[in-house]
Amino acid sequence: QSALTQPRSVSGSLGQSVTISCTGTSSDVGIFNYVSWYQQHPGKAPKLIIYDVTKRPSGVPDRFSGSKSGNTASLTISGLQAGDDSDYFCCSYTGPYAGAYTWMFGGGTKLTVL
Amino acid sequence: QVQLQESGPGLVKPSGTLSLNCAVSGGSIRSSNWWTWVRQSPGKGLEWIGEIYHSGNTNYNPSLKSRVTISLDKSKNQFSLNLTSVTAADTAVYYCARWLLNFYYMDVWGRGTTVTVSS
Repeated sequence: QSALTQPRSVSGSLGQSVTISCTGTSSDVGIFNYVSWYQQHPGKAPKLIIYDVTKRPSGVPDRFSGSKSGNTASLTISGLQAGDDSDYFCCSYTGPYAGAYTWMFGGGTKLTVL
Repeated sequence: QVQLQESGPGLVKPSGTLSLNCAVSGGSIRSSNWWTWVRQSPGKGLEWIGEIYHSGNTNYNPSLKSRVTISLDKSKNQFSLNLTSVTAADTAVYYCARWLLNFYYMDVWGRGTTVTVSS
């Protein structure tokens, strides 16, 4: 079972918006509304920024938003700031089925803020 | 506020066993949480290893299942990872994390610990 597919890198200028895609299958992203997104700065633990496809934890700015269409989830960051320069990972819950993965992660996307 | 802290040897010999602990503070390991291990190999994405519920139920990554054991130590409020027959491919930063029952995301993560497999 392959990891969820993300672009290896994206870039955007300060103040602009970028969207990062996360493509899975009808067995994970497509069937569950349990996609989460994590921001990870170098050498740091992942930080939850989106859960249940569209929800933001307390303290995460509304510049971060999530969506899903079919087997592809997306993270959009608007009003890019220098601190958004980071790695971003998607994750999908896939259910506790015998012999299967419970969680699938994306390969990660490096966001460069120009 | 629950916090997690990984600990264990930073260097393991090939064919040996990787053993890590994750200490839970600010909460009880007996609560309705799934306690999870995730790893990140150099330059790669995150990989789910497995998880354990407070009742002792476990789920494992099928590709690692034959080599992985996750267990609880309720007296020490910690959970552990054992990975046998390690190779250089198991070199990674290992994170422990938790997700709450019926809330399908990992909201608390440890800072991670680096394990290198080398002779």
